[in-house]
Amino acid sequence: NAGVTQTPKFRVLKTGQSMTLLCAQDMNHEYMYWYRQDPGMGLRLIHYSVGEGTTAKGEVPDGYNVSRLKKQNFLLGLESAAPSQTSVYFCASRVGGTNEKLFFGSGTQLSVL
Amino acid sequence: DQQVKQNSPSLSVQEGRISILNCDYTNSMFDYFLWYKKYPAEGPTFLISISSIKDKNEDGRFTVFLNKSAKHLSLHIVPSQPGDSAVYFCAASHTGTASKLTFGTGTRLQVTL
Repeated sequence: NAGVTQTPKFRVLKTGQSMTLLCAQDMNHEYMYWYRQDPGMGLRLIHYSVGEGTTAKGEVPDGYNVSRLKKQNFLLGLESAAPSQTSVYFCASRVGGTNEKLFFGSGTQLSVL
Repeated sequence: DQQVKQNSPSLSVQEGRISILNCDYTNSMFDYFLWYKKYPAEGPTFLISISSIKDKNEDGRFTVFLNKSAKHLSLHIVPSQPGDSAVYFCAASHTGTASKLTFGTGTRLQVTL
């Protein structure tokens, strides 16, 4: 049982390049989230999804797009990467209902030069 | 606007002693609080939670206390062990928001021998 798996683990991009981060969960969770972690900022919510085919904006959505075509996958896209998007990205998922804990992946370290 | 604050970036405690990590929040709508633990190069893992209808929750060596009037919660670890050395994040959410967690900036705990 892998839990939440993020691909890739590391990536270096040049300004203006695009990429997609993949998150896959095998726990049949309804809700999925993308966070970014920056020094001194804690984790901030980028986008989230409450079910297959749905997405919503979080606290810091600008410059990112997401898709949830399959229940088990949540993709985070950067269309034109900027140095300000250098960060560690974490995906998380949870079951439906209220006040349920989130399960996190191990993160993607992204550097934009 | 930091709605969840962890004012101590770091804490050092001797093995066997009590570790007390503090967290303050400003949003009175928050009604569910969690603590996550994070080791380097790993995703955050759930540690313990508390609902706003309670003022204390225990799980083994970990106890979380909630003071709603002061908008303050704390995590007590007794006794502290070297394996507890990690970054601890406080997080909060309110019912009806898809458990969108708002995180604090984290406290790095070091347990020394």
